[in-house]
Amino acid sequence: GEDVEQSLFLSVREGDSSVINCTYTDSSSTYLYWYKQEPGAGLQLLTYIFSNMDMKQDQRLTVLLNKKDKHLSLRIADTQTGDSAIYFCAERAIPGGSQGNLIFGKGTKLSVKP
Amino acid sequence: DAGITQSPRHKVTETGTPVTLRCHQTENHRYMYWYRQDPGHGLRLIHYSYGVKDTDKGEVSDGYSVSRSKTEDFLLTLESATSSQTSVYFCAISHGTLNTEAFFGQGTRLTVV
Repeated sequence: GEDVEQSLFLSVREGDSSVINCTYTDSSSTYLYWYKQEPGAGLQLLTYIFSNMDMKQDQRLTVLLNKKDKHLSLRIADTQTGDSAIYFCAERAIPGGSQGNLIFGKGTKLSVKP
Repeated sequence: DAGITQSPRHKVTETGTPVTLRCHQTENHRYMYWYRQDPGHGLRLIHYSYGVKDTDKGEVSDGYSVSRSKTEDFLLTLESATSSQTSVYFCAISHGTLNTEAFFGQGTRLTVV
């Protein structure tokens, strides 16, 4: 079945770049997502990438996709203390199917130190 | 913010009692999902709905049932709550399977004692 793997923790200093990595197993995935969860809150979509793209940039966020290796990364430039949160990688593996379910990784907790 | 409301936001219940969580949306989205979030497991799908009265099981459906009698409401019921169902429950909605975004509610923290 589908599986999404992420490292559980990442600690960076304010102003540095953060890179959160994710691997997935389903080669039929069409959309891959990054969600952010702040303490006590729901999940907020940060960005997504379609599987025919290699890179997507959105302000401080850069998503890189290596489809051959099934590897997805999220780079946050100039990381701020407000970026401290849990980041979830997710894939949507069944385009057009009745499920449309998102398969989530376990989440990476990003801690930003001043 | 997408119009999703989960209720209650917090609940403590005793083992063996029935519990119903409600997800209400004002977006008229076709797809609705219930996930649970547990440490070390991320989010796992419990049940989902692809239309009124159309529901199906997810990865961790045992001990849960759902109902969707109208587009805007998706109910999750624990028929007889167990301590293993202590978790944070999230509802999500999506316009379609090809849509790029699923919107999440704020979550319901359920504690079964």
